[in-house]
Amino acid sequence: KQEVTQIPAALSVPEGENLVLNCSFTDSAIYNLQWFRQDPGKGLTSLLLIQSSQREQTSGRLNASLDKSSGRSTLYIAASQPGDSATYLCAVTADRGSTLGRLYFGRGTQLTVWP
Amino acid sequence: DTAVSQTPKYLVTQMGNDKSIKCEQNLGHDTMYWYKQDSKKFLKIMFSYNNKELIINETVPNRFSPKSPDKAHLNLHINSLELGDSAVYFCASSHSPGGDEQYFGPGTRLTVT
Repeated sequence: KQEVTQIPAALSVPEGENLVLNCSFTDSAIYNLQWFRQDPGKGLTSLLLIQSSQREQTSGRLNASLDKSSGRSTLYIAASQPGDSATYLCAVTADRGSTLGRLYFGRGTQLTVWP
Repeated sequence: DTAVSQTPKYLVTQMGNDKSIKCEQNLGHDTMYWYKQDSKKFLKIMFSYNNKELIINETVPNRFSPKSPDKAHLNLHINSLELGDSAVYFCASSHSPGGDEQYFGPGTRLTVT
């Protein structure tokens, strides 16, 4: 069964720092990997989606990499800002038989960026 | 315009009651989902419908019954509510069930007392 782990569980940094959030998954048979952002009391916002054949995706100050064979992804946030404070969730889409299309989530990294 | 909307946003009810949560998407997607986020913030899929047909049914008590009257709507009815049903329920949609990007609604916080 697919298990997704995110490290660290929480991170507190001063504004301006570059930071890395880590995600690992146990079954490399994935279709794609998504990074989401969740603000308190709000829904999830998709940040980046990496197909299994891709190595990385970039959007503004965000860069996500994927190493499918080793079951790892990282989300790099450059020049962090207080507005980046949120919980970041990693999710993989299953790619095998009846599990196709299922999203398996990690428990998230709660990020706080202080001024 | 809201892409995926849910009603109500908050729901407080007593044990044993029956309640429904509604979800609508205006993205023209074929696939819709229900997820449950527990008190420890862990998100887990419950159901998925593609073109009004149930395609994913995780190990969920049969007190939970989804209904899709059309492609744009997926409702969740819960019978005989229990304390453990307290959670945030998220609806999501995607173009197809094959792993396309999923768009989430704002969530419904259900509290069972």
